[in-house]
Formats: sequence, C-alpha cells, structure tokens
Amino acid sequence: DVKVTQSSRYLVKRTGEKVFLECVQDMDHENMFWYRQDPGLGLRLIYFSYDVKMKEKGDIPEGYSVSREKKERFSLILESASTNQTSMYLCASSLRETQYFGPGTRLLVL
Amino acid sequence: AQSVTQLDSQVPVFEEAPVELRCNYSSSVSVYLFWYVQYPNQGLQLLLKYLSGSTLVKGINGFEAEFNKSQTSFHLRKPSVHISDTAEYFCAVSGTGGFKTIFGAGTRLFVKA
Repeated sequence: DVKVTQSSRYLVKRTGEKVFLECVQDMDHENMFWYRQDPGLGLRLIYFSYDVKMKEKGDIPEGYSVSREKKERFSLILESASTNQTSMYLCASSLRETQYFGPGTRLLVL
Repeated sequence: AQSVTQLDSQVPVFEEAPVELRCNYSSSVSVYLFWYVQYPNQGLQLLLKYLSGSTLVKGINGFEAEFNKSQTSFHLRKPSVHISDTAEYFCAVSGTGGFKTIFGAGTRLFVKA
C-alpha cells in the first residue's frame, strides 16, 4: 500500500511565524502535490512537483513556497503565516492519474 | 481547463436507502473522472475512477458511477447505504494528457439510523 505521511496532524502558530509542513511518500512517485481544503471550496492546489527540484505553481500559490530536495519528500513553507492561512493542508503523491493522500495537517494561525 | 460542480453540498439519507451524489464537469479535452471519499479526520482515498471503456464504473464499498459524456456528468450511486458511509465525497476531473486534478467542493453524506 502507498503511504503518504505528514509531519503533524495539528499545528498552532502565531501570525508572522515561518511554518514548515513536511510530507513523505514511500512509493517512489514522481509527482507530489500540496492542497488546502476549506469548507465549501473543496481542495485547491497550492503547488505541485513532477521531479526533484522541480516545482510548479498551482491555483493559489501566494504566501507559500515549496521545496523538493529528495524524491520522497515535499515541503510546504508559509513564509510569514497569516490568519487567512488557517486551514487543512493535504499532501498527495501520484505516479499516473490516481492521487494518494496523507491524513492532513490542520493549521491554526492566531 | 476543467471545472467540476457538485450539485449538492449535503445529502441526508436513512440507512439502507439508495443514494445518488451528483457531479457535472466541463472540459475542452478528454478527461479522466474520479470520486474520492474522506472519512472524518482522514485524508482522501480513491473510491473509483473512469479512464476509458465501459461507462459504468464499480468502486469500493458497493459504490458505482456512470460516465455520461453527452450530459458531462459522473454521478455516484449506491443502492443501499450504511451508517459507515457517512463521509464527504469529492468528484474530480483531470485531463488525459496531464496530472493536475480539479476537485469539486464536496458533498457531505449523512446516513441516519
């Protein structure tokens, strides 16, 4: 079974802090994704990566950056957290068309 | 570009009743279609997918969906639901040439005893 793990299930941060969300997959997948999930809006793509050190902006990249130094790890960085970044963050990986998701990180920015 | 519309935000239903969750999509290219399910406090997992071939697709837990190209729909059905089916269901679409997936807003299914 594909396993996608995320470093934290719950996180509380202060406005202005730098926040790192880590995601690791164990299936040698080329593609990795970061989404945020908000009620009534579904999942919105923040960034994705199709290879090591490669990244592409998704639909809502503002205020976020990413890093992919190793194939199995994809990090999401909030450079200066703001209250409107309070959300559920989901990481996913894929080899072809099917995505496999981690359990999510619920982030609260105070 | 693709888009997905899930026509119901919440669907309450009694246990053992049938259910249909509706999904419409738009796309200028050929598509793959998916339904994912999210149980409380978990990530999403694939329920079923349509890539090509038969338009009736069977998935896990007794769910099935039918791809209707003329109506650009991919509705999800189950003939008899269980309490354990209570979850949020997401319809999704991707172009056959790429790997970006567009998700709908989700439908919350509540199964009542």
